[in-house]
Amino acid sequence: EPEVTQTPSHQVTQMGQEVILRCVPISNHLYFYWYRQILGQKVEFLVSFYNNEISEKSEIFDDQFSVERPDGSNFTLKIRSTKLEDSAMYFCASRPGTVSSGANVLTFGAGSRLTVL
Amino acid sequence: QQPVQSPQAVILREGEDAVINCSSSKALYSVHWYRQKHGEAPVFLMILLKGGEQKGHEKISASFNEKKQQSSLYLTASQLSYSGTYFCGTEGPDTGRRALTFGSGTRLQVQP
Repeated sequence: EPEVTQTPSHQVTQMGQEVILRCVPISNHLYFYWYRQILGQKVEFLVSFYNNEISEKSEIFDDQFSVERPDGSNFTLKIRSTKLEDSAMYFCASRPGTVSSGANVLTFGAGSRLTVL
Repeated sequence: QQPVQSPQAVILREGEDAVINCSSSKALYSVHWYRQKHGEAPVFLMILLKGGEQKGHEKISASFNEKKQQSSLYLTASQLSYSGTYFCGTEGPDTGRRALTFGSGTRLQVQP
């Protein structure tokens, strides 16, 4: 079964450092997303990406965050200068984008746990 | 706009039933239900698109009311494997919006 893969699975960094989280979405999907989940809390939307540009972003996704699709397969989330409150599980997800028979399902990767010290 | 989920937590004995609700103040385009085990990614259960729709998946089913503002997830004859946190993710009302907004989750614990 096709899956969304994420690396690294866990990253520990010092406050103020830059972090890049990587994702390989499902190959024929058109919409890509980053969500985050602070421990014990809900899954929060950060940003969606379609046709090589950001299609939507939340208020969490400020100037410290950026996304990129550097090649045909990878989708990255960069945090420029990490803060303690950025510690969370970051999930990448993708969707086919075609709305037919309820098949436009969002598939999550296993997540990248970011710990900021 | 975040959907409202209730209850926040449920404790069941094996074989008991549970209902989890998800509601919005505006009509939605779709509702997606996910289950998340501790330390894992959310796993898709089902999607509802049409008002009045009901859908089932083994002993887990869901409904979407006619106004498309409320969805309920029904877990019947619960099993230990049903334990986890259930999230509803909603889309819309604008069909052009492709990001799901998730509720705060319902923590379900099934005990022997």
